[in-house]
Amino acid sequence: EPEVTQTPSHQVTQMGQEVILRCVPISNHLYFYWYRQILGQKVEFLVSFYNNEISEKSEIFDDQFSVERPDGSNFTLKIRSTKLEDSAMYFCASSRPPDTTNTGELFFGEGSRLTVL
Amino acid sequence: AQSVAQPEDQVNVAEGNPLTVKCTYSVSGNPYLFWYVQYPNRGLQFLLKYITGDNLVKGSYGFEAEFNKSQTSFHLKKPSALVSDSALYFCAVRQGGYNKLIFGAGTRLAVHP
Repeated sequence: EPEVTQTPSHQVTQMGQEVILRCVPISNHLYFYWYRQILGQKVEFLVSFYNNEISEKSEIFDDQFSVERPDGSNFTLKIRSTKLEDSAMYFCASSRPPDTTNTGELFFGEGSRLTVL
Repeated sequence: AQSVAQPEDQVNVAEGNPLTVKCTYSVSGNPYLFWYVQYPNRGLQFLLKYITGDNLVKGSYGFEAEFNKSQTSFHLKKPSALVSDSALYFCAVRQGGYNKLIFGAGTRLAVHP
């Protein structure tokens, strides 16, 4: 069964460093998302991406964050200058546009744990 | 804005007993509601959804959920709990276009032998 894959599974970085988290969505999906979860708590929406542009972003997704789909398969989240409070699990998700055969549920990757020291 | 609430931080159930994990929603228009499960150190797995039609929705691993419009609820249920059902459960509602989901705070289910 197709799945969303994320790398790295865990990254430790120093405060102020740039981090790039990578995701390979399911191949026939067109909508892509990043969510984050701090310490096993609530899952928070960061950003959605469609047709090579951001379709929606949350208040959390400030100027330090950016997303990109550099080729036909990867979807990346960049944090330009990490802060301690960016420590979290980051989940990538993808979905198909809803149609008569599906209602567009999201499929999640296993997550990338970011630890900022 | 659409939102969901999970009033219980944790639910404890003995193995073999029925379980219920509660979710209430607040939406304008017709709700698209989902349940996801998260096992330790794993991603979120889709369990089931309600879009339209029958109020009782069946999903993966023997779970089901009942949509109740008058009570604005979408409780997750299972007739007989297993220890392996112990996990974090999230209710979610679709908000806006592009299938974006807004999640509840999560409920930790602990099934004891």
